[in-house]
Amino acid sequence: QSVLTQPPSVSGAPGQRVTISCTGSSSNIGASYAVHWYQHLPGTAPKLLIYANTNRPSGVPDRFSGSKSGTSASLDITGLQAEDEADYYCQSYDRRLSGWVFGGGTKLTVL
Amino acid sequence: EVQLVESGGGLVQPGGSLRLSCAASGFTFGTYAISWVRQAPGKGLEWVSAISGSGGSTYYADSVKGRFTISRDNSKNTLSLQMNSLRAEDTAVYYCAREQLWNLSPFIDYWGQGTLVTVSA
Repeated sequence: QSVLTQPPSVSGAPGQRVTISCTGSSSNIGASYAVHWYQHLPGTAPKLLIYANTNRPSGVPDRFSGSKSGTSASLDITGLQAEDEADYYCQSYDRRLSGWVFGGGTKLTVL
Repeated sequence: EVQLVESGGGLVQPGGSLRLSCAASGFTFGTYAISWVRQAPGKGLEWVSAISGSGGSTYYADSVKGRFTISRDNSKNTLSLQMNSLRAEDTAVYYCAREQLWNLSPFIDYWGQGTLVTVSA
């Protein structure tokens, strides 16, 4: 059971928009710790997609955007492309555990 | 170019030990905290351990505390993870990862390719 809760899977057709949620608690996201998002294709190194809730590293398309409110955060992907099919993880810090916490991951399928 | 290359993974019996290494290049190693993150087969990512840039501070997940030891040699740009009393549930791909910090919130900006540790009789 992950500390941060994500839906196990989402799907969408090419060109559509999908949203992946990440729900935490008052000891992590709600304690004003930032949320970060990673994209992971099996067999490869994970890739930083969004940092500090809303920021994209250079090279990440603006089709990817993040937001945070209260004890939750979201990753939006617009204009879905086949290459977006991957696992997506949210991550934050938990002050009660004094450590990093990840969501359980969401598998995105592009139909 | 930032590079992190893990090594040392393999098959080990329950109760055994293994030492993972991570060779870093392309950045000033001693100025960055580094973490180990693992992914068990069919599971999600799990943070394992972290060490400050100087090596003076170390942090561990409860699941490995007392069994794993993280260390670094800034003169050689290398990071190590000594894993003792290994259990089947430690079976995973272990990633070495460079940390960044934003307003006290750590995150990873570069990951290695990972090394597989299998704990089995």
